Amino acid sequence: AQSVTQLGSHVSVSEGALVLLRCNYSSSVPPYLFWYVQYPNQGLQLLLKYTSAATLVKGINGFEAEFKKSETSFHLTKPSAHMSDAAEYFCAVDFGNEKLTFGTGTRLTIIP
Amino acid sequence: NAGVTQTPKFQVLKTGQSMTLQCAQDMNHEYMSWYRQDPGMGLRLIHYSVGAGITDQGEVPNGYNVSRSTTEDFPLRLLSAAPSQTSVYFCASSPGGLNTGELFFGEGSRLTVL
Repeated sequence: AQSVTQLGSHVSVSEGALVLLRCNYSSSVPPYLFWYVQYPNQGLQLLLKYTSAATLVKGINGFEAEFKKSETSFHLTKPSAHMSDAAEYFCAVDFGNEKLTFGTGTRLTIIP
Repeated sequence: NAGVTQTPKFQVLKTGQSMTLQCAQDMNHEYMSWYRQDPGMGLRLIHYSVGAGITDQGEVPNGYNVSRSTTEDFPLRLLSAAPSQTSVYFCASSPGGLNTGELFFGEGSRLTVL
């Protein structure tokens, strides 16, 4: 079955430290991949997307993600965390069936 | 630009009551969808539409109805509310196929069923 897995429902990092949020998917065909961010009491907004062009994708607010077909992964990183990065992050996958499947989300906390 | 507008933002219902969550977008997007968000479960697709007059079921459609009479509007109806439908509901739209586009989300509607 096609699925999206985000490892770690909560991640805490110190301000200035590396942010790494993990996302794996299960599919025999490379899908289209997205990362969304949700700030408190708001809707989701797109951080970045992979649509079969470059495997390293740069997004807004200094985030980037790398598509690794061999590992079926699309992990999100940011070299230096900022307090404003505290939010919930969702990995989402389009398996080509007109439906976006979301992971369960990772809540990122930044420690001053 | 208004983008995707959802009303109401908050609603409390009693079990068995009916209501409609409204969703409107002013971006001329063909694709619209409804998700519910529950703690620890991420977002789950309820219903979606690829254009006016066309709707289809998502992952969790039971207890919900939708219609798409215009490009702009995509209301979600709860015919007989149950406590299990307590959730935050998000409407989202996309200009076309998801593989080249992105979803634009409304700010959500928080529903409590007593």
